[in-house]
Amino acid sequence: KAGVTQTPRYLIKTRGQQVTLSCSPISGHRSVSWYQQTPGQGLQFLFEYFSETQRNKGNFPGRFSGRQFSNSRSEMNVSTLELGDSALYLCASSYNDRVYGYTFGSGTRLTVV
Amino acid sequence: AQKITQTQPGMFVQEKEAVTLDCTYDTSDQSYGLFWYKQPSSGEMIFLIYQGSYDEQNATEGRYSLNFQKARKSANLVISASQLGDSAMYFCAMPRRGISGSARQLTFGSGTQLTVLP
Repeated sequence: KAGVTQTPRYLIKTRGQQVTLSCSPISGHRSVSWYQQTPGQGLQFLFEYFSETQRNKGNFPGRFSGRQFSNSRSEMNVSTLELGDSALYLCASSYNDRVYGYTFGSGTRLTVV
Repeated sequence: AQKITQTQPGMFVQEKEAVTLDCTYDTSDQSYGLFWYKQPSSGEMIFLIYQGSYDEQNATEGRYSLNFQKARKSANLVISASQLGDSAMYFCAMPRRGISGSARQLTFGSGTQLTVLP
């Protein structure tokens, strides 16, 4: 069975631009969560979507947003990119709305120059 | 509030030897759990093992075992018979409950970079 697919794997953007990252969960999984991983802050929770609704949100500015489609695929968007947004963005999917069945993708590595 | 502490930024171990990665936690929840994940250089977080706070026996999954000491609030990962492929970052994590009371996100420690030497 296919795993969690994140696209693109690598991305280079210029400060001030916006970016959209995609996450396709495991078939049948209805929950998608996003995490940001940086050397300075470590792994931090961004938000979680379940059945197209945002159910939980971390402490990130409004420049970070997301959505989930009816097929459970999720996108996250970062507007007005800053150098500090350079990070590995990981998504995790699970069947229900719990962390116990998390399967992570390989991440999208975003570099802001 | 929760906090996960991993005090070993880097560890070295000889191939075929056992290694213990430390994790201490702080939580006000009566019922909680601890996860360990492995992150190779490819970036993917791979689930290794889970321990619930009310589990009577320490969790074991193949070469991985969890040395869970509730009174000391520690949940150390023991890897037996290390292999070269075990070289990776290892993270300890704890579920954090949302407003609804369900565990909707993970709080991670800062990680330990394990290098297995041939």
